Amino acid sequence: NAGVMQNPRHLVRRRGQEARLRCSPMKGHSHVYWYRQLPEEGLKFMVYLQKENIIDESGMPKERFSAEFPKEGPSILRIQQVVRGDSAAYFCASSPQQDRQPQHFGDGTRLSIL
Amino acid sequence: DQQVKQNSPSLSVQEGRISILNCDYTNSMFDYFLWYKKYPAEGPTFLISISSIKDKNEDGRFTVFLNKSAKHLSLHIVPSQPGDSAVYFCAASRSNDYKLSFGAGTTVTVRA
Repeated sequence: NAGVMQNPRHLVRRRGQEARLRCSPMKGHSHVYWYRQLPEEGLKFMVYLQKENIIDESGMPKERFSAEFPKEGPSILRIQQVVRGDSAAYFCASSPQQDRQPQHFGDGTRLSIL
Repeated sequence: DQQVKQNSPSLSVQEGRISILNCDYTNSMFDYFLWYKKYPAEGPTFLISISSIKDKNEDGRFTVFLNKSAKHLSLHIVPSQPGDSAVYFCAASRSNDYKLSFGAGTTVTVRA
Protein backbone atom coordinates (compact mmCIF):
# COMPACT_ATOMS: atom_id res chain seq x y z
CA ASN A 1 0.00 0.00 0.00
CA ALA A 2 1.69 3.17 -1.20
CA GLY A 3 -0.77 5.55 0.42
CA VAL A 4 -0.45 7.70 3.52
CA MET A 5 -0.59 5.41 6.54
CA GLN A 6 -1.89 6.55 9.89
CA ASN A 7 -2.09 4.61 13.11
CA PRO A 8 -3.82 3.92 15.26
CA ARG A 9 -7.15 4.34 13.49
CA HIS A 10 -8.92 4.79 16.81
CA LEU A 11 -7.44 5.93 20.07
CA VAL A 12 -9.19 6.26 23.40
CA ARG A 13 -7.57 8.17 26.22
CA ARG A 14 -8.66 9.41 29.64
CA ARG A 15 -8.31 13.04 30.54
CA GLY A 16 -4.74 13.85 31.52
CA GLN A 17 -3.14 11.05 29.52
CA GLU A 18 -0.92 11.42 26.48
CA ALA A 19 -1.92 10.64 22.89
CA ARG A 20 0.56 9.77 20.17
CA LEU A 21 -0.58 9.71 16.56
CA ARG A 22 1.66 8.37 13.82
CA CYS A 23 1.83 9.10 10.13
CA SER A 24 3.94 7.58 7.38
CA PRO A 25 3.79 9.64 4.17
CA MET A 26 3.43 8.24 0.70
CA LYS A 27 6.57 6.81 -0.81
CA GLY A 28 8.64 9.59 -2.29
CA HIS A 29 6.89 12.31 -0.28
CA SER A 30 8.98 14.31 2.15
CA HIS A 31 6.40 16.89 3.22
CA VAL A 32 3.86 16.10 5.91
CA TYR A 33 0.86 18.11 7.04
CA TRP A 34 -1.43 17.51 9.99
CA TYR A 35 -5.07 18.61 10.02
CA ARG A 36 -7.76 18.32 12.66
CA GLN A 37 -11.46 17.88 12.03
CA LEU A 38 -13.91 18.67 14.79
CA PRO A 39 -17.46 17.30 14.51
CA GLU A 40 -19.55 19.05 11.84
CA GLU A 41 -16.58 21.12 10.70
CA GLY A 42 -14.04 21.08 7.90
CA LEU A 43 -10.42 20.13 8.29
CA LYS A 44 -8.19 22.76 9.85
CA PHE A 45 -4.45 23.02 9.26
CA MET A 46 -2.26 22.37 12.28
CA VAL A 47 1.36 21.90 11.30
CA TYR A 48 3.67 21.35 8.34
CA LEU A 49 6.89 19.38 8.65
CA GLN A 50 9.75 18.20 6.53
CA LYS A 51 12.29 15.64 7.66
CA GLU A 52 13.76 16.86 10.98
CA ASN A 53 12.21 20.30 10.56
CA ILE A 54 9.01 22.00 11.66
CA ILE A 55 8.24 24.49 8.91
CA ASP A 56 4.97 25.96 10.13
CA GLU A 57 3.12 25.18 13.34
CA SER A 58 0.85 28.20 13.27
CA GLY A 59 -2.33 26.12 13.41
CA MET A 60 -1.28 24.05 16.39
CA PRO A 61 -2.23 25.02 19.95
CA LYS A 62 0.78 26.46 21.76
CA GLU A 63 0.43 24.20 24.78
CA ARG A 64 0.23 20.44 25.08
CA PHE A 65 0.63 19.82 21.32
CA SER A 66 3.88 18.98 19.56
CA ALA A 67 4.89 17.36 16.29
CA GLU A 68 8.01 15.83 14.86
CA PHE A 69 9.18 14.15 11.68
CA PRO A 70 12.47 12.41 12.44
CA LYS A 71 15.05 11.38 9.91
CA GLU A 72 13.94 7.79 10.30
CA GLY A 73 10.40 6.70 11.02
CA PRO A 74 6.97 8.24 10.88
CA SER A 75 5.81 11.71 11.77
CA ILE A 76 4.38 11.90 15.30
CA LEU A 77 1.69 14.24 16.59
CA ARG A 78 1.80 14.26 20.37
CA ILE A 79 -0.89 15.61 22.66
CA GLN A 80 -0.04 15.78 26.34
CA GLN A 81 -2.56 15.95 29.19
CA VAL A 82 -5.49 15.45 26.86
CA VAL A 83 -8.82 17.17 27.53
CA ARG A 84 -12.31 16.43 26.22
CA GLY A 85 -11.98 19.17 23.59
CA ASP A 86 -9.16 17.25 21.95
CA SER A 87 -11.66 14.65 20.74
CA ALA A 88 -11.53 14.89 16.96
CA ALA A 89 -10.35 13.19 13.81
CA TYR A 90 -6.72 13.93 13.04
CA PHE A 91 -5.64 13.61 9.43
CA CYS A 92 -2.19 13.51 8.00
CA ALA A 93 -1.41 14.46 4.41
CA SER A 94 1.75 14.34 2.36
CA SER A 95 3.10 15.83 -0.84
CA PRO A 96 6.31 15.46 -2.81
CA GLN A 97 7.04 19.18 -2.68
CA GLN A 98 5.98 22.11 -0.56
CA ASP A 99 3.65 23.70 -3.03
CA ARG A 100 2.64 20.61 -4.90
CA GLN A 101 -1.07 20.03 -4.73
CA PRO A 102 -3.05 17.98 -4.25
CA GLN A 103 -2.08 16.75 -0.86
CA HIS A 104 -2.86 13.08 -0.30
CA PHE A 105 -4.57 12.18 2.93
CA GLY A 106 -4.47 9.20 5.21
CA ASP A 107 -7.61 7.68 6.75
CA GLY A 108 -7.12 9.56 9.98
CA THR A 109 -6.96 8.77 13.68
CA ARG A 110 -10.15 9.21 15.63
CA LEU A 111 -9.24 10.34 19.12
CA SER A 112 -11.80 9.98 21.86
CA ILE A 113 -11.25 11.40 25.32
CA LEU A 114 -13.18 9.83 28.18
CA ASP B 1 -12.53 32.92 10.59
CA GLN B 2 -14.15 30.67 8.02
CA GLN B 3 -12.59 31.63 4.69
CA VAL B 4 -14.23 28.83 2.73
CA LYS B 5 -17.95 28.23 3.13
CA GLN B 6 -20.22 25.48 1.97
CA ASN B 7 -23.65 26.71 2.92
CA SER B 8 -25.56 23.56 2.06
CA PRO B 9 -24.82 20.86 4.62
CA SER B 10 -26.66 18.23 2.60
CA LEU B 11 -27.95 17.44 -0.87
CA SER B 12 -30.22 14.64 -2.03
CA VAL B 13 -30.38 13.77 -5.71
CA GLN B 14 -31.86 11.01 -7.78
CA GLU B 15 -29.58 8.60 -9.55
CA GLY B 16 -28.85 9.76 -13.08
CA ARG B 17 -29.55 13.41 -12.32
CA ILE B 18 -27.06 16.22 -11.86
CA SER B 19 -25.58 17.08 -8.46
CA ILE B 20 -24.49 20.68 -7.99
CA LEU B 21 -22.39 21.57 -4.98
CA ASN B 22 -21.55 25.16 -4.15
CA CYS B 23 -18.67 26.82 -2.38
CA ASP B 24 -17.89 30.45 -1.55
CA TYR B 25 -14.62 31.94 -0.37
CA THR B 26 -13.72 35.28 1.15
CA ASN B 27 -9.94 35.45 0.73
CA SER B 28 -9.16 37.08 -2.64
CA MET B 29 -5.61 35.74 -2.40
CA PHE B 30 -6.83 32.19 -2.99
CA ASP B 31 -6.03 31.10 -6.51
CA TYR B 32 -6.15 27.33 -6.40
CA PHE B 33 -9.22 25.33 -5.52
CA LEU B 34 -9.81 21.66 -4.92
CA TRP B 35 -12.67 19.31 -4.24
CA TYR B 36 -12.20 16.30 -2.02
CA LYS B 37 -14.59 13.42 -1.51
CA LYS B 38 -14.80 11.61 1.80
CA TYR B 39 -16.45 8.38 2.80
CA PRO B 40 -17.17 7.60 6.47
CA ALA B 41 -14.13 6.42 8.42
CA GLU B 42 -11.81 7.24 5.51
CA GLY B 43 -9.62 10.19 4.65
CA PRO B 44 -10.45 12.81 2.01
CA THR B 45 -9.69 11.72 -1.53
CA PHE B 46 -8.75 14.30 -4.13
CA LEU B 47 -11.38 14.64 -6.83
CA ILE B 48 -10.68 17.62 -9.07
CA SER B 49 -9.01 21.03 -8.93
CA ILE B 50 -8.97 24.33 -10.75
CA SER B 51 -6.53 27.20 -10.98
CA SER B 52 -7.72 30.78 -11.03
CA ILE B 53 -6.46 31.21 -14.59
CA LYS B 54 -9.31 28.97 -15.70
CA ASP B 55 -13.04 29.15 -15.20
CA LYS B 56 -13.82 25.52 -15.90
CA ASN B 57 -12.15 22.17 -15.51
CA GLU B 58 -13.67 18.86 -16.50
CA ASP B 59 -12.75 15.30 -15.63
CA GLY B 60 -15.19 12.65 -16.70
CA ARG B 61 -18.45 13.10 -14.81
CA PHE B 62 -17.01 15.90 -12.69
CA THR B 63 -16.80 19.55 -13.71
CA VAL B 64 -15.70 22.44 -11.55
CA PHE B 65 -16.67 26.01 -12.40
CA LEU B 66 -14.95 29.06 -10.96
CA ASN B 67 -16.41 32.57 -10.83
CA LYS B 68 -13.61 34.74 -9.49
CA SER B 69 -15.60 37.96 -9.40
CA ALA B 70 -18.22 36.32 -7.21
CA LYS B 71 -15.63 34.31 -5.26
CA HIS B 72 -17.71 31.25 -5.96
CA LEU B 73 -17.08 27.80 -7.30
CA SER B 74 -19.27 24.84 -7.95
CA LEU B 75 -18.87 21.13 -8.60
CA HIS B 76 -21.19 19.41 -11.05
CA ILE B 77 -21.54 15.64 -11.04
CA VAL B 78 -23.46 14.22 -13.96
CA PRO B 79 -24.88 11.69 -14.03
CA SER B 80 -24.96 11.05 -10.30
CA GLN B 81 -24.35 7.47 -9.22
CA PRO B 82 -24.97 5.68 -5.89
CA GLY B 83 -21.22 5.50 -5.29
CA ASP B 84 -21.13 9.30 -5.30
CA SER B 85 -22.89 9.33 -1.93
CA ALA B 86 -20.26 10.89 0.34
CA VAL B 87 -19.20 14.14 1.97
CA TYR B 88 -17.66 16.63 -0.45
CA PHE B 89 -15.22 19.24 0.80
CA CYS B 90 -14.23 22.37 -1.04
CA ALA B 91 -10.68 23.56 -0.29
CA ALA B 92 -8.62 26.57 -1.32
CA SER B 93 -5.04 27.73 -1.18
CA ARG B 94 -2.72 30.41 -2.47
CA SER B 95 -0.04 29.76 -5.04
CA ASN B 96 3.09 28.26 -3.57
CA ASP B 97 1.31 27.81 -0.26
CA TYR B 98 0.81 24.50 1.43
CA LYS B 99 -2.07 25.40 3.70
CA LEU B 100 -5.44 24.21 2.57
CA SER B 101 -8.52 25.97 3.92
CA PHE B 102 -11.52 23.67 3.95
CA GLY B 103 -15.24 24.23 3.94
CA ALA B 104 -17.44 22.32 6.37
CA GLY B 105 -18.54 19.86 3.71
CA THR B 106 -21.74 18.90 1.90
CA THR B 107 -23.20 15.44 2.37
CA VAL B 108 -24.51 14.09 -0.91
CA THR B 109 -27.02 11.27 -0.98
CA VAL B 110 -27.83 9.71 -4.32
CA ARG B 111 -31.24 7.99 -4.32
CA ALA B 112 -31.88 4.97 -6.47
